[in-house]
Amino acid sequence: SAVISQKPSRDICQRGTSLTIQCQVDSQVTMMFWYRQQPGQSLTLIATANQGSEATYESGFVIDKFPISRPNLTFSTLTVSNMSPEDSSIYLCSVLRVGEKLFFGSGTQLSVL
Amino acid sequence: GIQVEQSPPDLILQEGANSTLRCNFSDSVNNLQWFHQNPWGQLINLFYIPSGTKQNGRLSATTVATERYSLLYISSSQTTDSGVYFCAVGIGNEKLTFGTGTRLTIIP
Repeated sequence: SAVISQKPSRDICQRGTSLTIQCQVDSQVTMMFWYRQQPGQSLTLIATANQGSEATYESGFVIDKFPISRPNLTFSTLTVSNMSPEDSSIYLCSVLRVGEKLFFGSGTQLSVL
Repeated sequence: GIQVEQSPPDLILQEGANSTLRCNFSDSVNNLQWFHQNPWGQLINLFYIPSGTKQNGRLSATTVATERYSLLYISSSQTTDSGVYFCAVGIGNEKLTFGTGTRLTIIP
């Protein structure tokens, strides 16, 4: 398994501002992902965080809005930029090892006013 | 992209009852996992089951990859089983696509 620390756990932000979410894993992992879960909905993949290169974004998500960094194999950040109330969601960091389970951090509950 | 549908969307059961949750997917996969999201939002991985059958206590899962479905069985339900159950599918170690979810409520 993997121990994933994600912070902040929750935040309330004003529209137009940005928030950076941090994800720290207790050991090196190849695959790290960022998901979004809107209220009452399933999980939607935002992007795959690639170590040492630009993240791979899913359709509907762009780097200018959701810049991602992954400086090493244990750490990643997701920034939600120029926020609007529609960005109010839970943001989840997850990690995957070869042939193993996908594990999630505890999530960041974001509310935008 | 691949479509993942789960049924039923909602299920309300008395404590002690058994239940079967279904996950249908639209394309061939070799990675399938089941998750439980508890009422506090934490996602717990229940099974990594690309094919075959696995059991863990009161929970078991079966995946028939050739027919593109998986089943999660919960026996002797407890109130702590309440929450939302998701299946997620993918190819190898690439991204997983999550299903629509089944919300399970266990009544004491």
